[in-house]
Amino acid sequence: GAGVSQSPSNKVTEKGKDVELRCDPISGHTALYWYRQSLGQGLEFLIYFQGNSAPDKSGLPSDRFSAERTGGSVSTLTIQRTQQEDSAVYLCASSLSDRVAGYTFGSGTRLTVV
Amino acid sequence: AQSVTQLDSHVSVSEGTPVLLRCNYSSSYSPSLFWYVQHPNKGLQLLLKYTSAATLVKGINGFEAEFKKSETSFHLTKPSAHMSDAAEYFCVVTGHGSGNTGKLIFGQGTTLQVKP
Repeated sequence: GAGVSQSPSNKVTEKGKDVELRCDPISGHTALYWYRQSLGQGLEFLIYFQGNSAPDKSGLPSDRFSAERTGGSVSTLTIQRTQQEDSAVYLCASSLSDRVAGYTFGSGTRLTVV
Repeated sequence: AQSVTQLDSHVSVSEGTPVLLRCNYSSSYSPSLFWYVQHPNKGLQLLLKYTSAATLVKGINGFEAEFKKSETSFHLTKPSAHMSDAAEYFCVVTGHGSGNTGKLIFGQGTTLQVKP
C-alpha cells in the first residue's frame, strides 16, 4: 500500500483480556518499529525488526508484551492480560533501512483498557 | 548512548513571526537527526532529516534546521508561522552501536501554539 496501515484504529478492552494490534508496513520496507505514545510520556520504543535479524525487544515493558513479524512484512503486537496502564496509542513505523531513509508512521491504534 | 533533549515543552508565537524549536542531542557517533510533526489526532509526519550531508537542512512547509556539531544542537526554525503549524514537534536521533542500532530515540516533544 501507499502508507503504513494499522488496525484497528481504536480498541476498547476489559482489563485482563488479551489484544492484538496489527501493522502492515510499506511494501519493501525491511525495518519495522513499534512505539507507544502515552499522555505525558512521550514516545516510547517497544520493539524493532530489521530484515531476518533477531528483533530488538529491549523496549518491551513486560513479558505480557510480545510481537512477531511474519514473512518480513505484517507485524502483530500482542498484549496479554491487559492492564489500565497499557492504555495508549500504539504506533508502527517502517523504513527502507535502519538508519537514514526516514521512517513512515502509521496513524496508530488507540487502546483503552477499562 | 544516544539521547535528545527538547528544551521547551511549549512555545507560543504569533502568526507571521519566526518559530524556533530547540533540540540538543547526545551521541557518541555521527548521528542521523530528524524532526517530526504530529497534528492533533493525526500520525507522525517527517519534516526533515540530517544524515551527514549539508548541515542546513530544508524540509516541508518552510521549515529548516541546522546541524551544529560544536553545540550538539539541531534547532528547527521557520521564518513566518502559520496557523496550520500549530502541532506537536519531535526531535529524533537514531541509535547507533551495539544494542542501539536503528532505534529512533524521541525527545519529549514541543507543543507549538500559533496565535492569530
